Amino acid sequence: GENVEQHPSTLSVQEGDSAVIKCTYSDSASNYFPWYKQELGKRPQLIIDIRSNVGEKKDQRIAVTLNKTAKHFSLHITETQPEDSAVYFCAASITGNQFYFGTGTSLTVIP
Amino acid sequence: DGGITQSPKYLFRKEGQNVTLSCEQNLNHDAMYWYRQDPGQGLRLIYYSQIVNDFQKGDIAEGYSVSREKKESFPLTVTSAQKNPTAFYLCASSWGQGSNQPQHFGDGTRLSIL
Repeated sequence: GENVEQHPSTLSVQEGDSAVIKCTYSDSASNYFPWYKQELGKRPQLIIDIRSNVGEKKDQRIAVTLNKTAKHFSLHITETQPEDSAVYFCAASITGNQFYFGTGTSLTVIP
Repeated sequence: DGGITQSPKYLFRKEGQNVTLSCEQNLNHDAMYWYRQDPGQGLRLIYYSQIVNDFQKGDIAEGYSVSREKKESFPLTVTSAQKNPTAFYLCASSWGQGSNQPQHFGDGTRLSIL
């Protein structure tokens, strides 16, 4: 099955700096890649997603890039704010079949 | 997402007891999933179901059972065979196969041992 690896496991940045989280996947058939944000004790919430026919997608301060050849995708958060502090999960899916999650990145934004 | 409701929010299990976690969705999604989340870890898939009356084991199905008698409902039973049930359990749903749409999660159930 698919294997998704996520790095780093923890990340601390100063407020206003950028944060980058990277994921790699093993199955070249994966074609859908969502990113979730989970605050402590709460449900994961979708923040952005990308499909395999697109190389980059941006939504305000959040962007995701996809390199199908290298089988990796990354989350970029610019101008970080304290409320961005949370655990972020990447995932990969083959057309809505099982979703395979990374192990999460705990992001801390230092005011 | 208000479309997925998990209950109860907190649950305590006694030794040798089976407990059932409820998950209901009104999003008309075909697929439903159960994940287990341990502190500092990612989401591990317990069971998933793509259609009514059909479900498949995930990576850590031992000690758990599910049913999918209705499209809206996907209850998870934690049996006495699950020796380390203390965890945060998340239910999710999605449009399922053929659709590149995200999963939507419930608020979770935190299960502890008495």
